[in-house]
Amino acid sequence: DAGITQSPRHKVTETGTPVTLRCHQTENHRYMYWYRQDPGHGLRLIHYSYGVKDTDKGEVSDGYSVSRSKTEDFLLTLESATSSQTSVYFCAISESGGISKNIQYFGAGTRLSVL
Amino acid sequence: DQQVKQNSPSLSVQEGRISILNCDYTNSMFDYFLWYKKYPAEGPTFLISISSIKDKNEDGRFTVFLNKSAKHLSLHIVPSQPGDSAVYFCAASAQQAGTALIFGKGTTLSVSS
Repeated sequence: DAGITQSPRHKVTETGTPVTLRCHQTENHRYMYWYRQDPGHGLRLIHYSYGVKDTDKGEVSDGYSVSRSKTEDFLLTLESATSSQTSVYFCAISESGGISKNIQYFGAGTRLSVL
Repeated sequence: DQQVKQNSPSLSVQEGRISILNCDYTNSMFDYFLWYKKYPAEGPTFLISISSIKDKNEDGRFTVFLNKSAKHLSLHIVPSQPGDSAVYFCAASAQQAGTALIFGKGTTLSVSS
């Protein structure tokens, strides 16, 4: 299994509170991604990073921010959580080259409930 | 509009028979396709992929077929086993490194013994 750790695995929070989810990798992969999975939608990209301090928006980035200060860590922050952000969040990583460069490896996920 | 479509939400198959999961895409820029398997409370696990320069890729019991003219791909599992019961996601991307995967909504496969 790819060395990807997501924390926390479960979180319950209240509307309006800030929440930060962490993704930590031990593979030294260049690219990191945050997706959310909702019923009827598959997985959708929130933000991704192509290097330290280099990030860009995905399909559903509104209400989320990210930071990557080290190669191994990619943080997803909900500045003011809303009920619509109740979801399962997955972190993924991928290499920058080689035959596996298009394959993304996923963490176990964080289940977030915003009440 | 959905760029990757898995039109069958579920599929039931008997152990030992073939499972065929289908996926359609609309974006002609996609040139790399992947299948992921997901068990409850776990992350998606990469299963098999295919580049647009090929029409078939095989890995053990799993074979992916790509029909570019029809913008259609399929995953064949032969023989199906109860442990194959999971949600299967089709995903597409461009070949450059670091591009997002566009996922279908998934198909739940149930293999009965």
